[in-house]
Amino acid sequence: EVQLVDSGGGLVQPGGSLRLSCAASGFTLSCCWMSWVRQAPGKGLEWVAAMKQDGTEEFYVDSVKGRFTIARDNAKNSLYLQMNSLRAEDTAVYYCTREMAYGDSFDYWGQGTLVTVSS
Amino acid sequence: DIQMTQSPSSLSASVGDRVTITCRASQSIRSYLNWYQQKPGKAPKLLIRAASTLQSGVPLRFSGSGSGTDFTLTISSLQPEDFATYYCQQSYTTPRTFGPGTKVDIK
Repeated sequence: EVQLVDSGGGLVQPGGSLRLSCAASGFTLSCCWMSWVRQAPGKGLEWVAAMKQDGTEEFYVDSVKGRFTIARDNAKNSLYLQMNSLRAEDTAVYYCTREMAYGDSFDYWGQGTLVTVSS
Repeated sequence: DIQMTQSPSSLSASVGDRVTITCRASQSIRSYLNWYQQKPGKAPKLLIRAASTLQSGVPLRFSGSGSGTDFTLTISSLQPEDFATYYCQQSYTTPRTFGPGTKVDIK
């Protein structure tokens, strides 16, 4: 059974850092593009970042460029999101998602991890 | 960036009703359009991929159509478990973008 388990969220002050993790099971992470999608409280879905199967390409939404870094360790079947210089507007539930091939849908999602940026 | 719009933003319907949700892209995305269902406190669930392909395990009352810029999601006979928010999403290019959502609630 395919599973994605998100972790690492919490309360952080503005300007702080946090690292999210996504543990994959039931499939080999190296098969797929992987993305992070977030959802601010009471709001819609926003794609944040994506990384190619071998880690050689990565893409970001403009609002996080230069602050967030997506990474993966295929040997550990894990995806990460390093978030620096956090702002109040980054407060959201962050979901890890799988994209079987570039241009495909997000067919599996983690349960989400809540990041709250507040003083 | 490709902008996605949805209409209506919300609707009230009864069990057994036929429901149609529309999604429009700001430029052609061919058939790179996906639909998700989200219930409160849960992760989104993929319903339809590539505009019209039903994801495995999704009931046949769900269907999708369209190409280019205009797409629809249809629920042929609304069931109690279908009350949720529905999002379209383009996978044609990055940044991937979602529609604002359509909330379907009980009349």
